Parts: sequence; C-alpha cells; structure tokens
Amino acid sequence: EAQVTQNPRYLITVTGKKLTVTCSQNMNHEYMSWYRQDPGLGLRQIYYSMNVEVTDKGDVPEGYKVSRKEKRNFPLILESPSPNQTSLYFCASSIGQERGYTFGSGTRLTVV
Amino acid sequence: SQQGEEDPQALSIQEGENATMNCSYKTSINNLQWYRQNSGRGLVHLILIRSNEREKHSGRLRVTLDTSKKSSSLLITASRAADTASYFCASQKAAGNKLTFGGGTRVLVKP
Repeated sequence: EAQVTQNPRYLITVTGKKLTVTCSQNMNHEYMSWYRQDPGLGLRQIYYSMNVEVTDKGDVPEGYKVSRKEKRNFPLILESPSPNQTSLYFCASSIGQERGYTFGSGTRLTVV
Repeated sequence: SQQGEEDPQALSIQEGENATMNCSYKTSINNLQWYRQNSGRGLVHLILIRSNEREKHSGRLRVTLDTSKKSSSLLITASRAADTASYFCASQKAAGNKLTFGGGTRVLVKP
C-alpha cells in the first residue's frame, strides 16, 4: 500500500532531551515536507526536501533539523526540545509535477 | 505565515445539502489544492486546480479558481455524514514546492 509512515504516533518527552521523529515513504517520491499543526495557527511548514541531500527551510525551521540521505526517509530531529514545540507533526511526500501531497498519520508530541 | 484565508471557519448543514467554502491567497500561484482532515488525522488530498484552469470536478466535488481575485471555492454536492471534516486549501507557487495552507473550514454534516 502506498503510504507515508511516521513514528512514533504519540510522544511525551522532557525539555532538552533530543528526539527524532521518523518519516518514510514507499512511493519513490522526490519531494518531502514536515509540517506542524497548532490550534489557531493552522499548518505551517518546517522543512522541505526536493531530493536526496537537498533540503530547505520552511516557515518555522527554528529548533528543528532534517536530513535526506535516502530518497525514502526524511527524519525530523529536535536537538533540544522545548515546550513551545508541543504540537501535531505531519510528514508529507509528493512526486511533484503538479500532484498533491500524501500525508502521514501524524505524530502528537508533548514536551514538558 | 499563513497565506490563505478560508471562509467560513465553520459550517453546519443537513445531509443532502450542498456545502460551499472559499479560500483566498496573496501571491501568484502555480496551483491550488484542497485537502480534507478528519479529527486530527492526516490530511487527504482531494483535488488540484492549476492556475490556468477555472473549474474542475471530481465526483461530488467542484472547485473553481479565480486568479484575478486570488480566490478559490470548493463545493461539495449532496453532502453525507461522512463528509464531516475540516477542509483546507493550500497554494503552491511552483510544482512540487512547499504548500502554504489556509486556516481551514470545519464542516459538520448532520444526518
């Protein structure tokens, strides 16, 4: 089944403890993105990647890192999480060429 | 920053009625997309309309795009309870590039 898989689905962590949210797609898509969704602020892009080893900042990149060493994987790294990074995170991928994005099921992160 | 604004923010209709929601954006675009989200779950792509298109249909969905007004509308005809969800528009400046989302419209379809 064509899909974007994020892990974990839920995570509660403490301030400052490094964490990684994984994202993997099995559709050979070139484009991948990370978004965060917050009440009243909607969906905002964190980082995106147009291909292997090509990444760029979105609207809210502060406090996040990404890497794209393989086409299928696009992990989101929080080196030192803070409570303001408590949010619902989505990974998404697209083949580009004016096609829509396929979204993962989301990761609900709570930083205490 | 959120480029898009959606109107209304919430909509409540009876099953069988039509639901219309509008989206405005600020800059020139390559295409505009509509997504559905059920209760905090992942977004599902519904339809994409290119900047050189004015109207597009997919099943019970009808999307229009007016680039002169920088606005789009999504019409869901003969709504069903299963259409209850939040609907988001998302603009894209270039194919494959990032999506900029509107704030969404929450639609409740009452049986």
